[in-house]
Amino acid sequence: DTAVSQTPKYLVTQMGNDKSIKCEQNLGHDTMYWYKQDSKKFLKIMFSYNNKELIINETVPNRFSPKSPDKAHLNLHINSLELGDSAVYFCASSQAAGHNEQFFGPGTRLTVL
Amino acid sequence: AQSVTQLGSHVSVSEGALVLLRCNYSSSVPPYLFWYVQYPNQGLQLLLKYTTGATLVKGINGFEAEFKKSETSFHLTKPSAHMSDAAEYFCAVSDPGRRALTFGSGTRLQVQP
Repeated sequence: DTAVSQTPKYLVTQMGNDKSIKCEQNLGHDTMYWYKQDSKKFLKIMFSYNNKELIINETVPNRFSPKSPDKAHLNLHINSLELGDSAVYFCASSQAAGHNEQFFGPGTRLTVL
Repeated sequence: AQSVTQLGSHVSVSEGALVLLRCNYSSSVPPYLFWYVQYPNQGLQLLLKYTTGATLVKGINGFEAEFKKSETSFHLTKPSAHMSDAAEYFCAVSDPGRRALTFGSGTRLQVQP
């Protein structure tokens, strides 16, 4: 009965590859997010979707493309991976009508070699 | 633009001692404020939140925080530290009109026996 789940938990890949991270929430929320946590633990918003519509798109390279097939899912595809993409990526969800209390997934640790 | 400053990247206390983690925010509108905790290799868990109303907010695991508008602060306290409190703590602010959280840089709490 996990609220926000992500797969995979760990991802190790070579530079130049393309990879995807999947996120699912079973909380009935209508807003989902991707955050990046760097090696110094700093967390920064990347994208946000509300009802499958992109509402936040921070300064993120075009190599990153989110996709929301439905309200419960938000995937992150990364093309041409670079060393600097190594980080922990967190998915989160919230209810649009609430106070933006966000529920986070366990994270995906991406290591680019 | 909003911002969050957490004073002290590392705080060390003895078991049973008072825990005080500092957070100051900057926001052009009345903010929603949150404290999250991150245990090693895990996602973020909400400790407590301030939205409106009572300025002293109680959260899980015996933590509480007080919203002080005049000081633009939202410091986190716990009267008596437990070994299990050792973790990374993040203060975050949400602009009611923007559906994303802006996080502080985090404070690592160590609890000495």
